[in-house]
Amino acid sequence: SAVISQKPSRDICQRGTSLTIQCQVDSQVTMMFWYRQQPGQSLTLIATANQGSEATYESGFVIDKFPISRPNLTFSTLTVSNMSPEDSSIYLCSAPRGDSNNEQFFGPGTRLTVL
Amino acid sequence: KQEVTQIPAALSVPEGENLVLNCSFTDSAIYNLQWFRQDPGKGLTSLLLIQSSQREQTSGRLNASLDKSSGRSTLYIAASQPGDSATYLCAVRNSGTYKYIFGTGTRLKVLA
Repeated sequence: SAVISQKPSRDICQRGTSLTIQCQVDSQVTMMFWYRQQPGQSLTLIATANQGSEATYESGFVIDKFPISRPNLTFSTLTVSNMSPEDSSIYLCSAPRGDSNNEQFFGPGTRLTVL
Repeated sequence: KQEVTQIPAALSVPEGENLVLNCSFTDSAIYNLQWFRQDPGKGLTSLLLIQSSQREQTSGRLNASLDKSSGRSTLYIAASQPGDSATYLCAVRNSGTYKYIFGTGTRLKVLA
């Protein structure tokens, strides 16, 4: 299985500030994914991050609010910009295992609280 | 548009019981379906992955089945233990995409 780590594991932030979340995979992967899990809800895909190209955002998510970087095949960052209390969620990154099964693995998540 | 639903939303059982969690999806053109476990405040742990051509997968006390034509999957947990207490999520990947659509989850509590 792929090992995925995220930093920070949690943070408490003030309204109007920004937070950058880092995701590191222990092997090279073509695609990485960023999800949001609001309190008591299931996971919603924010965007797909491909190395060497701009991220592809899902409906309801925009680059200005959630800029993403993908500088290489093992690393990605998600920034939550100009935060409001509604952004309080768990943010998770994921990547498929690099074989034909494409089993999806997830990082431990970043729990964000915005005051 | 693919929609994934899980029933029941919550389940509480005594230790030792066998139980079934249900997942239904509206679009049968799937590539695969994956079951995950999530402990409170934590990330997701992959349990089982079923390809669209498969009928079931087994890992230890877990067995997942897939009936693509009827848009259903079940996760069977044998001889449940308190350590099985968690939220169980199913996720569907449609053909032609790398994205997963997640179900609403089933919160399981196994009582000692």
